[in-house]
Amino acid sequence: GQQVMQIPQYQHVQEGEDFTTYCNSSTTLSNIQWYKQRPGGHPVFLIQLVKSGEVKKQKRLTFQFGEAKKNSSLHITATQTTDVGTYFCAGPGGYSTLTFGKGTMLLVSP
Amino acid sequence: EADIYQTPRYLVIGTGKKITLECSQTMGHDKMYWYQQDPGMELHLIHYSYGVNSTEKGDLSSESTVSRIRTEHFPLTLESARPSHTSQYLCASSGVRGGTDTQYFGPGTRLTVL
Repeated sequence: GQQVMQIPQYQHVQEGEDFTTYCNSSTTLSNIQWYKQRPGGHPVFLIQLVKSGEVKKQKRLTFQFGEAKKNSSLHITATQTTDVGTYFCAGPGGYSTLTFGKGTMLLVSP
Repeated sequence: EADIYQTPRYLVIGTGKKITLECSQTMGHDKMYWYQQDPGMELHLIHYSYGVNSTEKGDLSSESTVSRIRTEHFPLTLESARPSHTSQYLCASSGVRGGTDTQYFGPGTRLTVL
C-alpha cells in the first residue's frame, strides 16, 4: 500500500529557532493533511493542502505542497514552547482512510 | 473541539480478561476508525467503519474486534487481553468541515495488560 515517509523523526530546538518537517510519498497524492499531537494528547487536525504548489500559513506555521504533489513540508518560524508535540502528515489511504507518516517529534527548550 | 468520547481513559487489567473500549461521537459521522499508538510513535489503523453494520480491518493486524450497531457508537473488544496489547487506543470519526474531510480524534484509552 501507499507509504508516507516523514523526516526527521525527532528534533530538539531552542526557543526562537525555526523548525521544518518533511513528508514524502512515492505516489502522487490528491491531498495531504497535517495533524499535531501534544504530549499525552490526541492528534488534532491542522490543515489540508490540495493544489500543486499550494502554500498556506497559520500564524508562524507555513505549509507547502510540492509541485508534483508527492511531498509536503511544515515550517515553524521562531518556535515557542507551545509548539512542542508530534507533527504528522497524512495522505489518502484506501476507502476513506488516511495513511499517516511516522511523525516528527518536536522538543523546544526555553 | 470535536464531540468524540472514549471510556475508560485508563485501564489496567490482568492477562486473559475480556475488555471493551467504548467510543461515541455526537457529530453524526458515518465513518469511524480505531488506531493503536505506542507513546510518541506512529498511528496504526486497526479497524474502520463506513456506517451501521459496516466494519473493516485496517492495515495493522489486530486480535480485537469491533461492531457498529448505531451510528454514534463504535466499541472495540479484546476477548482475551495479553501484555502485547498494552498500548494507547485512539478512536476517530471523520466528516466534512469547510469542504475538507478531516478526522476528529477522541482522547484515547491507555491500556496496560499485566
